[in-house]
Amino acid sequence: DAGVTQSPTHLIKTRGQQVTLRCSPKSGHDTVSWYQQALGQGPQFIFQYYEEEERQRGNFPDRFSGHQFPNYSSELNVNALLLGDSALYLCASSFKGGRDEQFFGPGTRLTVL
Amino acid sequence: AQTVTQSQPEMSVQEAETVTLSCTYDTSESDYYLFWYKQPPSRQMILVIRQEAYKQQNATENRFSVNFQKAAKSFSLKISDSQLGDAAMYFCAYRSPNFGNEKLTFGTGTRLTIIP
Repeated sequence: DAGVTQSPTHLIKTRGQQVTLRCSPKSGHDTVSWYQQALGQGPQFIFQYYEEEERQRGNFPDRFSGHQFPNYSSELNVNALLLGDSALYLCASSFKGGRDEQFFGPGTRLTVL
Repeated sequence: AQTVTQSQPEMSVQEAETVTLSCTYDTSESDYYLFWYKQPPSRQMILVIRQEAYKQQNATENRFSVNFQKAAKSFSLKISDSQLGDAAMYFCAYRSPNFGNEKLTFGTGTRLTIIP
């Protein structure tokens, strides 16, 4: 049973560029949550997707957007990258919104130069 | 808004000994969930243990147990018989029970080192 997968593993971008990160949830899960983890910090909630809709959002600017596809996989898009966007981006999947355990992927390390 | 505080940035323990990691939180909700997650160098967050606030009994998972003090808003993790594989970052997290508000709020973490 494949767990949560994320791609790519690492990514290097330049300020002002745009980036797309991808997440495939664990088999049987229909909800995807995204978190940003800056170096030395705990993860911060970005948003959650359920039934292809954004149902909850953290304190992140509109430069951060997402999408969920009919197969429940998800993308996180970040526009106009800033140096401060450098972080580990974690995806977590769960069933029916996340009332049960959220399973995390290995993350994507984004570096903005 | 809920907050989670971990006041120990780093802890170390001798292999086979017992260590306790501290966590406090702030909330106005009466029911909620608390979690301890482990993040090894591989970066993948792994759930260690969870506690429902309405349950008075402290959760236990093999060598891992919690001391949940609801009135004090304290949720510490005890690791018994520490093993080298326990070395990792440990994060305490809070979650509301309300449908539509399942986000996890994390503390800043405690780095645990196991001394052989």
